[in-house]
Amino acid sequence: GAGVSQSPSNKVTEKGKDVELRCDPISGHTALYWYRQSLGQGLEFLIYFQGNSAPDKSGLPSDRFSAERTGGSVSTLTIQRTQQEDSAVYLCASSLLGSTSGNTIYFGEGSWLTVV
Amino acid sequence: QQQVKQSPQSLIVQKGGISIINCAYENTAFDYFPWYQQFPGKGPALLIAIRPDVSEKKEGRFTISFNKSAKQFSLHIMDSQPGDSATYFCAASSGGSYIPTFGRGTSLIVHP
Repeated sequence: GAGVSQSPSNKVTEKGKDVELRCDPISGHTALYWYRQSLGQGLEFLIYFQGNSAPDKSGLPSDRFSAERTGGSVSTLTIQRTQQEDSAVYLCASSLLGSTSGNTIYFGEGSWLTVV
Repeated sequence: QQQVKQSPQSLIVQKGGISIINCAYENTAFDYFPWYQQFPGKGPALLIAIRPDVSEKKEGRFTISFNKSAKQFSLHIMDSQPGDSATYFCAASSGGSYIPTFGRGTSLIVHP
């Protein structure tokens, strides 16, 4: 597609349920990032994928969060046993190369998660 | 991650005025400094970027000023318009760091 595509755009879930958020990066982009943005807050790094390398999971806030990237393309962020503090916008981004120096990161429009 | 400190957190400017947002960094290995613009309900989008080999870059009404010795860079929006109302994020990265470091963002409101 022309841009980074994320689904669902909005998700309301009950506390304790699991949710899956999907990201379809720009075709040909080897690097994929997940960020979290709470209301009125900055961009919190969650996880990074680059090609076939092991992902950098250093930003995941707890073991309830996990992500995978299949075939070097589509990625799924899974949040298990959701809590109210998980409510946020989850942004996916991709870039052409692993190094961000000089490369533009393209963000999707985000998946708005509300845990009630 | 190394910090990038951004200020102010919020900014209100009258139409036609100049908006100035500042960022400071610590890691001298950073060699790419982009600014992102985010409108409500949208993802951030690249606005303008600079490398440390130049002190200024201008694109239309948007200018980045870069001070390598002070490890600071700033975004200037000339003739600010209500349509510029958005959140602005500075960022920094280096060839050896594949995860850009973002500032905390500045919410800009331009009054008509």
